[in-house]
Amino acid sequence: QKEVEQDPGPLSVPEGAIVSLNCTYSNSAFQYFMWYRQYSRKGPELLMYTYSSGNKEDGRFTAQVDKSSKYISLFIRDSQPSDSATYLCAMNERAAGNKLTFGGGTRVLVKP
Amino acid sequence: GAVVSQHPSWVICKSGTSVKIECRSLDFQATTMFWYRQFPKQSLMLMATSNEGSKATYEQGVEKDKFLINHASLTLSTLTVTSAHPEDSSFYICSASRGTSHEQYFGPGTRLTVT
Repeated sequence: QKEVEQDPGPLSVPEGAIVSLNCTYSNSAFQYFMWYRQYSRKGPELLMYTYSSGNKEDGRFTAQVDKSSKYISLFIRDSQPSDSATYLCAMNERAAGNKLTFGGGTRVLVKP
Repeated sequence: GAVVSQHPSWVICKSGTSVKIECRSLDFQATTMFWYRQFPKQSLMLMATSNEGSKATYEQGVEKDKFLINHASLTLSTLTVTSAHPEDSSFYICSASRGTSHEQYFGPGTRLTVT
């Protein structure tokens, strides 16, 4: 079993819809949680960074962390075709220094 | 801020030759740099972690004599693929973090094709 599980998709939604992404994890020592967006043949771009349980909002993006359930989510409101990309969750535990453990990524397609 | 560049963006080389990829943090000092490899439609696979002035720490299964990493300054790390073979063809991505921050900022990647 992988440490971080993420549905590979593809997840197809119409423009304007809410995109809902999530990851589950097994290592209770993970403390820092990130979401990255990766366009084809490009490096990942950091979207959200959260430390504790709860919600964090930045523009159209909302990240949720539920440590008790070992579950994190990313919501994208008013989705646009330009949001079509692969979204990767990543996590870190203090004991691992700055090393990240990635989910496999979810491919999202927003149709105009 | 937090911009990371890579050079070259793509490279084609012949089997048996060596290729060097540069990773630079443009607007911050990167205490730690990471090198990843990514196959099509797969997630990132960490190859090694390097701290400025120290030897790189390689992940299990990664040949350190084949993938030479040098982190000579706080803004530059290089990955040299030695005696490249077609199976080394992949997308190589670096990332950098600053201080004790757990956020990693990624470069745009380098596509290596070995013929």
